[in-house]
Amino acid sequence: EVQLVESGGGLVQPGRSLRLSCTASGFNFNDYAMYWVRQSPGQGLEWVSGISSNSGSAGYADTVRGRFTISRDNAKSSMYLEMNNLKTEDTALYYCVKDAVGAIGAFDLWGQGTMVTVSS
Amino acid sequence: IQLTQSPSLLSASVGDRVTITCRASQGPGNYLAWYQQKPGSAPKLLIYATSILQSGVPSRFRGSGSGTEFTLTISSLQPADFATYFCQQLKTYPGSFGQGTKLDIK
Repeated sequence: EVQLVESGGGLVQPGRSLRLSCTASGFNFNDYAMYWVRQSPGQGLEWVSGISSNSGSAGYADTVRGRFTISRDNAKSSMYLEMNNLKTEDTALYYCVKDAVGAIGAFDLWGQGTMVTVSS
Repeated sequence: IQLTQSPSLLSASVGDRVTITCRASQGPGNYLAWYQQKPGSAPKLLIYATSILQSGVPSRFRGSGSGTEFTLTISSLQPADFATYFCQQLKTYPGSFGQGTKLDIK
């Protein structure tokens, strides 16, 4: 089955760290750029970070640059998001998403999301 | 690149033709996509590269535009189409989404 499964979310205090994981199955993970997109409760979508298929390039939203680090392990078909110095405004459902087939920069596969709650 | 959608809320009836607009602060080239999201579910890709219909998406959905103005048109609304729609670009990092347009039943 073609799917993305996120894990690692939870409740964390402001200033602490958390590491999210995304495991892919059913497609050749090595061939696609991957991304993290988040959605605060009842709000819109925010592009967070992206990484190329060979980890050669990565990008971040201004709101997380310097605090979050994206990485991937193609041998494990997995992607990660290391989140440091978390803020209350980072509270959101974090989706792992895949570049669309034949359409760089569009997202054709989404995970179910993992919830991150930053609160004291 | 900032994306601004209009309207934010759209009320329509089954069978209506509706159009949602997405304006970009800079041209996103051909890297403009549209998504549909229903409550409790992840977004679903409808259109990519401005006007290419994703496999399995009904032909009543159409994307168009150029430069900094893009549109999503639904030609004849069906009950399943009442949802929230987002535009998105990834010409270069960082990517961005529009704020969303909620389409509800009049």
